[in-house]
Amino acid sequence: GAGVSQSPSNKVTEKGKDVELRCDPISGHTALYWYRQSLGQGLEFLIYFQGNSAPDKSGLPSDRFSAERTGGSVSTLTIQRTQQEDSAVYLCASSQRRLANEQYFGPGTRLTVT
Amino acid sequence: AQSVTQLDSHVSVSEGTPVLLRCNYSSSYSPSLFWYVQHPNKGLQLLLKYTSAATLVKGINGFEAEFKKSETSFHLTKPSAHMSDAAEYFCVVMIQTGANNLFFGTGTRLTVIP
Repeated sequence: GAGVSQSPSNKVTEKGKDVELRCDPISGHTALYWYRQSLGQGLEFLIYFQGNSAPDKSGLPSDRFSAERTGGSVSTLTIQRTQQEDSAVYLCASSQRRLANEQYFGPGTRLTVT
Repeated sequence: AQSVTQLDSHVSVSEGTPVLLRCNYSSSYSPSLFWYVQHPNKGLQLLLKYTSAATLVKGINGFEAEFKKSETSFHLTKPSAHMSDAAEYFCVVMIQTGANNLFFGTGTRLTVIP
């Protein structure tokens, strides 16, 4: 079937505005991850969902960041009161289960905060 | 603690010549190791993975990598570079505990000169 999809592919927003980024994981994948990729950096873990368990939010950089996963499928990453340092590519990945399985990545959302 | 070091931020080779992208890792656990490739404006794609089976791992597009525990290395190689290999390559360590179980290197940009 289809791979991981993300929308929008590009988002330009003004400083202080809120943004929502969407991720559709591969059907049947119970684990979902959000990462942030800043220019010249590796991927920074943000948040992890596994089935119906409480998410691991340990990577979220501030309380302006939050994420939901509805019905164990689609996930939305919300950034409130965006700052210029939030500009990055936000990547979503899913896997069948967490341990030992590779993660399948979406194409990412490029966020630019002006 | 886990970490991944990609020794070269940028590698440039001529088409048809060998490719070597270096990766060293540090892990408190027995890790799984991956190489991902990211073409411009595309998502991350898995090239190959090592999960404690054969130490020489063959991946897609003619790439291979050798796990050397004594050197804590997992260098990526290809005998003959193709123009389509130009991309960003990430070495990744996966550990079998915790939600943040993927640790990415900062990436190596491969340029292929015609």
